[in-house]
Amino acid sequence: AQSVTQPDIHITVSEGASLELRCNYSYGATPYLFWYVQSPGQGLQLLLKYFSGDTLVQGIKGFEAEFKRSQSSFNLRKPSVHWSDAAEYFCAVGPYGQNFVFGPGTRLSVLP
Amino acid sequence: EAGVAQSPRYKIIEKRQSVAFWCNPISGHATLYWYQQILGQGPKLLIQFQNNGVVDDSQLPKDRFSAERLKGVDSTLKIQPAKLEDSAVYLCASSTGTVQETQYFGPGTRLLVL
Repeated sequence: AQSVTQPDIHITVSEGASLELRCNYSYGATPYLFWYVQSPGQGLQLLLKYFSGDTLVQGIKGFEAEFKRSQSSFNLRKPSVHWSDAAEYFCAVGPYGQNFVFGPGTRLSVLP
Repeated sequence: EAGVAQSPRYKIIEKRQSVAFWCNPISGHATLYWYQQILGQGPKLLIQFQNNGVVDDSQLPKDRFSAERLKGVDSTLKIQPAKLEDSAVYLCASSTGTVQETQYFGPGTRLLVL
């Protein structure tokens, strides 16, 4: 069965600094990969997704993620963090024909 | 376009009581999902509907949880009787079709079982 790990439970960065959130998955083939963001009291919002093709994926709000097959990783990045990016971030894996498995999440705090 | 609506937003009950949650998906979305999100964890799929048929309910604790989607639109999720470990946020999501289509999530219902 597929699984997702997000090694960092909580990350704190200063506003304007760069950000990288890690995601590793376990699955026998190339999965479909997603990053979602959840702000306090809000539902999850899709940031970006990878199905195939270019391994660098652009998403909303200035986020991007890179799929690295050799490392079974799909790390999320942003060059300059804004205070409004403070939220919980979830990586999800969805092998074709099956439903998502979400990682445990990484909470991002942003210092002014 | 209106998003996924859920009610109530918060609910506090005592163990062994019953509770029901309601979800109204985005208009025209054939697929509806219910997730359970326990504090500190990612969402876990409970049940997936395609129109008014169940596609996947393998992780639904069927001895106490039930869900229905009458007429392929609104859905209700019920817990009877509730246990302490059911305290969680219950998220509803909808999409146009297959699981790889973007899922749009509602704000969730936060349940506390005392």
